[in-house]
Amino acid sequence: ETGVTQSPTHLIKTRGQQVTLRCSSQSGHNTVSWYQQALGQGPQFIFQYYREEENGRGNFPPRFSGLQFPNYSSELNVNALELDDSALYLCASSAGTALNSPLHFGNGTRLTVT
Amino acid sequence: DQQVKQNSPSLSVQEGRISILNCDYTNSMFDYFLWYKKYPAEGPTFLISISSIKDKNEDGRFTVFLNKSAKHLSLHIVPSQPGDSAVYFCAASWGSNYKLTFGKGTLLTVNP
Repeated sequence: ETGVTQSPTHLIKTRGQQVTLRCSSQSGHNTVSWYQQALGQGPQFIFQYYREEENGRGNFPPRFSGLQFPNYSSELNVNALELDDSALYLCASSAGTALNSPLHFGNGTRLTVT
Repeated sequence: DQQVKQNSPSLSVQEGRISILNCDYTNSMFDYFLWYKKYPAEGPTFLISISSIKDKNEDGRFTVFLNKSAKHLSLHIVPSQPGDSAVYFCAASWGSNYKLTFGKGTLLTVNP
């Protein structure tokens, strides 16, 4: 089975620009969650999508937005980039939203904002 | 306000010995706890979980213990192997598998 894949692996953007990160979920998974991991920190929940609808959101401003497509792949969009947005962005998929459906993470996209 | 705390940034253990990684939490609403392992340049990998209705869960060399009164959990790895060298994250949740709250991680080094 194919695991979670994210693209691109690395990205450099300038403050004020917009960025789109992409994620393909693991085969058979219908739920995608996005996390931000700043240097020296644990991953922090951004939001989750279940069957193309947002299904929960963390403490991130509205300039962080997302989409889920009918094939359950997902995008994370960040507008008006700030220096503090520099981080590793992790996508995770799961076979539903229940507690016994562990998250399977991709390898992440490293975003650097200059 | 960090709701999940891993107070040891690093731990070094000899191969074959026991590794004990600790985690404390402050939010009494948490009812499900997980451990993830992360190698460099890879995403976190799920290791083991425990529900708040249990105090122990075992899977091969990995055992997680939960002490609800102390709001403390620990991961035991026996015996430790060099391939276990990685960053270990403790995470907690309630009501669903999403919105996991992670600790900052502990770097485990298992020396041959």
